[in-house]
Amino acid sequence: DAKTTQPPSMDCAEGRAANLPCNHSTISGNEYVYWYRQIHSQGPQYIIHGLKNNETNEMASLIITEDRKSSTLILPHATLRDTAVYYCIVRVVDDMRFGAGTRLTVKP
Amino acid sequence: SAVISQKPSRDICQRGTSLTIQCQVDSQVTMMFWYRQQPGQSLTLIATANQGSEATYESGFVIDKFPISRPNLTFSTLTVSNMSPEDSSIYLCSAGQGNYGYTFGSGTRLTVV
Repeated sequence: DAKTTQPPSMDCAEGRAANLPCNHSTISGNEYVYWYRQIHSQGPQYIIHGLKNNETNEMASLIITEDRKSSTLILPHATLRDTAVYYCIVRVVDDMRFGAGTRLTVKP
Repeated sequence: SAVISQKPSRDICQRGTSLTIQCQVDSQVTMMFWYRQQPGQSLTLIATANQGSEATYESGFVIDKFPISRPNLTFSTLTVSNMSPEDSSIYLCSAGQGNYGYTFGSGTRLTVV
């Protein structure tokens, strides 16, 4: 009963923006959209989250469509260290289930 | 955000034995989660552990096999009981508060022989 759909893999050139899409067509009004990433052999790392409005922090930007059925994580200037599996999660407080994620490979 | 210390980082165990994994958080948190991650796979939620209540287990995971303790707001343990080679995996804990981003431990790499 996955709540999100992400492409299994994407490539991005170093220095370019990486745009990672996520579909969450069954999202409820009180569910937030969260993004995490997992670099090989490490625990997942929180990136950003949002409810309705677009959000930006030092790592990334999150664009949520007006109907909230999809979102895009933007890494503005991807580096080789951004190569990781990126997970989009929709959740309320006590629900933290991961889907398959997108494996992003940043290439020189 | 919270910082988590998880240990052991790895262990090799004999089948039929049990291993207890500890997660220590540097601040008080309401929610803690335990996950299993098999090689090349995503994280599978084992259970949610809130202080002061029984852990809530996901389908396919039972308390007799994966007993969890949550004695206070900064600490939790997961025990993998009566281990078999199929239990070989990475086990991770996560902790956080409210709708903020949650922090993960560095994981415990378990090999059962």
